[in-house]
Amino acid sequence: DGGITQSPKYLFRKEGQNVTLSCEQNLNHDAMYWYRQDPGQGLRLIYYSQIVNDFQKGDIAEGYSVSREKKESFPLTVTSAQKNPTAFYLCACSGTSTDTQYFGPGTRLTVL
Amino acid sequence: AQKITQTQPGMFVQEKEAVTLDCTYDTSDPSYGLFWYKQPSSGEMIFLIYQGSYDQQNATEGRYSLNFQKARKSANLVISASQLGDSAMYFCAMRFAGGTSYGKLTFGQGTILTVHP
Repeated sequence: DGGITQSPKYLFRKEGQNVTLSCEQNLNHDAMYWYRQDPGQGLRLIYYSQIVNDFQKGDIAEGYSVSREKKESFPLTVTSAQKNPTAFYLCACSGTSTDTQYFGPGTRLTVL
Repeated sequence: AQKITQTQPGMFVQEKEAVTLDCTYDTSDPSYGLFWYKQPSSGEMIFLIYQGSYDQQNATEGRYSLNFQKARKSANLVISASQLGDSAMYFCAMRFAGGTSYGKLTFGQGTILTVHP
C-alpha cells in the first residue's frame, strides 16, 4: 500500500524536552515537507527537502531541525528552543518540487 | 509576495445542492499553480483539484470543479451535489513557480463547510 505515514498520532512533551516526529513515505517521491497548523489557521512551512542529504528552511524554521538521510524518511525534531510548539504537524511529499503534494495523517503535539 | 485569501470563514449548504467556496490570490509571477485541499475532522489534508496558471480550461475532478478567472485572480471551488461527507475545512493554496522554485505552498485561512441533510 503506497502512502505517507506519520507517527505518533498524538505526542505529549514536557517543557524543555526535545521530541522527534516521524514521517515515512513509500511513494518514491524526491521532495518532502513539514508544515505546522495552528487552530483555525492555514498551514505554514517549517522545512523542506528536495533530495536526500539536502534540506532548506521554510518560513518558520526557528526551534526545529530535520534530517534527510534516506529518501523515504524525513524526521522533524522540535527542540526546546521552539517557544510555542503545541500545534498540529503535517508531513507531505511530492514527486518533484513542482508536483502535487500529498499529506500524511499528521501528529498533534501538546506541550504540558 | 504571494497571498491567498479565503473570505468565507464558514459556509452552509443543503445536501444535494451545489456550493461555491471563494479563493482570491495575489502574485505578480505569470507562472503558478492553484490547489484545493479538504481537511476533515481527522486532520489529514486531502488533495482535491489543481489548476495551472497557463491551463486554458477550468479543471474538473468528479464533483469538484475550479472556476478559474485569471484576470480577477480568483480560483473558486465548486462542489456539485453536496454530500454529508463533504462537511470539512477547505483550503486554497498556491504554489509559486518563480524564485527558488522549491514547491512551497502558501495556504489561505480555510473555509468550514457544513452540509445539512
